[in-house]
Amino acid sequence: AQSVTQLDSHVSVSEGTPVLLRCNYSSSYSPSLFWYVQHPNKGLQLLLKYTSAATLVKGINGFEAEFKKSETSFHLTKPSAHMSDAAEYFCVVWSKGGNDMRFGAGTRLTVKP
Amino acid sequence: NAGVTQTPKFQVLKTGQSMTLQCAQDMNHNSMYWYRQDPGMGLRLIYYSASEGTTDKGEVPNGYNVSRLNKREFSLRLESAAPSQTSVYFCASRSGPRVETQYFGPGTRLLVL
Repeated sequence: AQSVTQLDSHVSVSEGTPVLLRCNYSSSYSPSLFWYVQHPNKGLQLLLKYTSAATLVKGINGFEAEFKKSETSFHLTKPSAHMSDAAEYFCVVWSKGGNDMRFGAGTRLTVKP
Repeated sequence: NAGVTQTPKFQVLKTGQSMTLQCAQDMNHNSMYWYRQDPGMGLRLIYYSASEGTTDKGEVPNGYNVSRLNKREFSLRLESAAPSQTSVYFCASRSGPRVETQYFGPGTRLLVL
């Protein structure tokens, strides 16, 4: 069985300050992990993915995430928030060959001017 | 190359009415998926088709049926809509069940009155 817990339903930061969105996962097998972003009334866009290569993964728009097996975490970070980063972010776990991806409940990121 | 497309974008139904949500992909992908997105719950898998000619239930299949019409198209049918099916529905595809990256359509927003 696999599952994802996003530890914050809402995060608010000021423009130019760091972003941290937290994700813990549970998986019986070596998982692949993803972060997707959804802007208002839009579909889901892949930000980055971890697939058992380097544990520090860089994605689009300056985001990165670090896979920590000992902590079963895959937190998403960005050094400096931009107004355009305001969106909902989903952490996702998938086991290779599994039938589906398991989504977290989402974290809504607000960026204040 | 349009990726994953969905029709309609928005639909209002009365309780008991039926409708079919259409999904098509032009990436020659083998596997296709239907998810629903509800506030605070992330995306949950309704049905999937690992390859042309096969379909299987996901996490929340009750009240839905699917048809994998051909390799490109995967439709979701609500035979008798209920207010609990008010949601945003996303179709997704990947090249195969053992491939990590899943591509999402723009979504269909369904309101059942």
